[in-house]
Formats: sequence, C-alpha cells, structure tokens
Amino acid sequence: EVQLVESGGGLVQPGGSLRLSCAASGFIFSSYGMNWVRQAPGKGLEWVSHITGRDSNIYYADSVKGRFTISRDNARNSLYLQMNSLRVEDTAVYYCARDWAYWGQGTLVTVSS
Amino acid sequence: EIVLTQSPATLSLSPGERVTLSCRASQSISSYLAWLQQKPGQAPRLLIYDASNRATGIPARFSGSGSGTDFTLTISSLEPEDLAVYYCQQRSTWPLTFGGGTKVEIK
Repeated sequence: EVQLVESGGGLVQPGGSLRLSCAASGFIFSSYGMNWVRQAPGKGLEWVSHITGRDSNIYYADSVKGRFTISRDNARNSLYLQMNSLRVEDTAVYYCARDWAYWGQGTLVTVSS
Repeated sequence: EIVLTQSPATLSLSPGERVTLSCRASQSISSYLAWLQQKPGQAPRLLIYDASNRATGIPARFSGSGSGTDFTLTISSLEPEDLAVYYCQQRSTWPLTFGGGTKVEIK
C-alpha cells in the first residue's frame, strides 16, 4: 500500500526557516517524481515544486523560487522541502503527492509573529 | 504560466441531477489535464487523468472529456457524498497549475 507521511510543520516567525519531510512507502520511491502542493486556509490548491525520480530534475513555482529547495534521498525513501525566508503568505497545509493519485495527510506551516 | 479557469465557482444541485463542471486553459494543453476532488478536511483525491481516464476505484458516474483548451467533468447522477470542491490541474507545461476550484453543494 502506498503511503506518504509528511512531518516538520509548525509555527515560525516571518523570515525564518523550516524543513518539511515526506516519508514514502509501498512503492519504488526512486522511480517516481514527487511534488509538494500547498493549500492556504480556506483557499485552493497551489503547486509548489517537483523533483523527478532518478535524475532529480527540479521545478518550482515562481512564488517560492529562490527561497524553497526540494530534495530527495532515495536510499531513505524520503522527500524534503527546505523553506527559507518564510513569509506570512506561505502559511498553508503542505502536501506531498505522487502522480496526483497518492497524497499525504498534510502538515500545517504557520508563519506569524 | 498556463491559467486554468473553472466555472461555475459554486453549484447547488439535488441528488440524482447531472453535474457539468468546466475548466478552460489559457493555451492548449493537449489532454494533459486531471480532475481532483477534495472533501472537507481531507486531502485531494484523483478522479480523472489525461482528460478522460478514470483513476482506480473511481465510480463510473464520474467522466471527463475535452482536449486543447476546453475540458468538462461530468457527474452523471449526483450523490450526497459528492459534496466537495473539484479542481482541474494541468501537467502540459511548467509551472504546473491548478484551477481555482468549483464547490459542489447538495440541495
């Protein structure tokens, strides 16, 4: 069974940093591209970043480019999102997703002073 | 960036009615469109991929059609459990984008 479990969310001040993790199981992790998607409170879905499987090509939304860094550790079956220079507008539930068919439960990031 | 415009924003229908949701892309995306359903308090669920292919386990009352710039998600007979927000998403061009969503309410 495919499972994706996010962790690392929390409360952080504007300008601060946070690292999200997504633990994957139930499939050959290195064979799949992975995404981070976020959803601000009461708002719609926003794609954040994608990393391909083995060759790790990377793509970002303009809203996070230069501040967020996606990475993966195929040996640990884990996906990461390093978030720096956080802004109030980055407040959201962050999901990791594979193929759009598999999603984690999300982790809440709150940026507030 | 490809903009996906969904209409209507909200729809209120009775059980058993036919539901038609629209998603229009700002430029051609071939058939690289997915539809997702998000129920309150839950993660999104994939309904349709590549415009017209039902995902695993999705009931036959959900169907997708279209190509190029105009796409439709149809629910042939609305069930009470279909209360949700429905999003379209394109994977034709980076950055990936989602539509703003259509909220389906049950009368």
